[in-house]
Formats: sequence, C-alpha cells, structure tokens
Amino acid sequence: GAVVSQHPSRVICKSGTSVKIECRSLDFQATTMFWYRQFPKQSLMLMATSNEGSKATYEQGVEKDKFLINHASLTLSTLTVTSAHPEDSSFYICSARDSQLANTEAFFGQGTRLTVV
Amino acid sequence: LAKTTQPISMDSYEGQEVNITCSHNNIATNDYITWYQQFPSQGPRFIIQGYKTKVTNEVASLFIPADRKSSTLSLPRVSLSDTAVYYCLVGDRYTGGFKTIFGAGTRLFVKA
Repeated sequence: GAVVSQHPSRVICKSGTSVKIECRSLDFQATTMFWYRQFPKQSLMLMATSNEGSKATYEQGVEKDKFLINHASLTLSTLTVTSAHPEDSSFYICSARDSQLANTEAFFGQGTRLTVV
Repeated sequence: LAKTTQPISMDSYEGQEVNITCSHNNIATNDYITWYQQFPSQGPRFIIQGYKTKVTNEVASLFIPADRKSSTLSLPRVSLSDTAVYYCLVGDRYTGGFKTIFGAGTRLFVKA
C-alpha cells in the first residue's frame, strides 16, 4: 500500500527553539496533505491542510505564524513549530491522499513525538 | 460536517467477534465511511472503507444499512494485538479532496 513517511519520529528541543517535521509520500503524489496533533488519550485534531504550491489552510484556533507549513513539492510537506514551548509538546501526525485517485483513503505517517523542555 | 458518535470503549476476549457501531446521522450523499485503527504512538492505519451495504476484506467487514446513518465495523476472532483505538470517519469533501475529521474513537481492550 501507499506509504507516508515522517521524520523525525522523536525530537526533544529546548523552549524557544524551532523544530521542523517532514512528511513525505513515498510512492504517490499528493497535492494535499493534512497535519494533525494528538495529546495523550485524546483523538487526532486537524491543524491544517497543506496545499502544494499555495498557502496552507488552518483550522480555527491554530496559529499560522506558530505552525509554519510548506508544501513545496507533490511529495513533501513540512511543519515547523516556531518558538516552541512546553505546551507544544504533543504527537504530530501527517496524512496524504493520492491526488490521482478519487475516493481513496488517507495514508498516515508514523507520527512525530515532540517534547519541549 | 457529518459528526460521528461511537462508544468510548469496549472490552472483549480473544477469539470473539467484535462489532463496533458508529452513528453518522448527517452523512451527505457523497460521503464515504472509513474506519482506521491506531496503536499508541503510531499513526492511524486504514482498515476498511465503504459507501453502502457490506464490504469485506481480509481483516474486517463493514455493514452499512440502507439509510447510511450508521455503520458497524466487525472484527472476526480478535486477538490481543487488536487492542487499539478504532475511529469511524465520514468523508468531508473539500475542494476536490477529503478533509478527514476524527471523532473520539472507540478504545477496544482484548483480554486473554
């Protein structure tokens, strides 16, 4: 099946620094990718929709200047958590759909565990 | 958005059949129903997708009544490794793609 790869799988950073998370679709093209955040024992919360070649669309309550999204190619989207603080510690997950197929499921990356100390 | 409602948790024993029902009363004509499985500290994994009636694959069956206002995921003969959170999702068509919105999910505990 289609594979979506996230990197890194785990990252620890100091408060105030920025962290970049990559999401790649390995064997298909994705004009749209999605970024989620998940806190312990909770469901996935959609943060934003990443659109190739254009600006991302953010969900209500998500700060676009804090969570920078870049979707520069059909196989890569990046999420940068800027000036990270301990409350940004969470599990970040991306997903992508094959742009050339209709009504197919989304494939998810393995997630990135971010810990801000 | 078609909101989904699932039981918060379920318990079962190895070898039993587990049925998890999801309600989606406001499902739209073009919406598909998709189920995902998630283990701790992993991304969700696709289980099955359907539009109406019954769909079966190597791991599960999905039953969808004619009114499509609910769906039931059936896991035959569960094992301990099926302990996970199961999410029922309804496709929200968004500018040519789907914006996948997750509900609370159902935590399934399989006991020996």
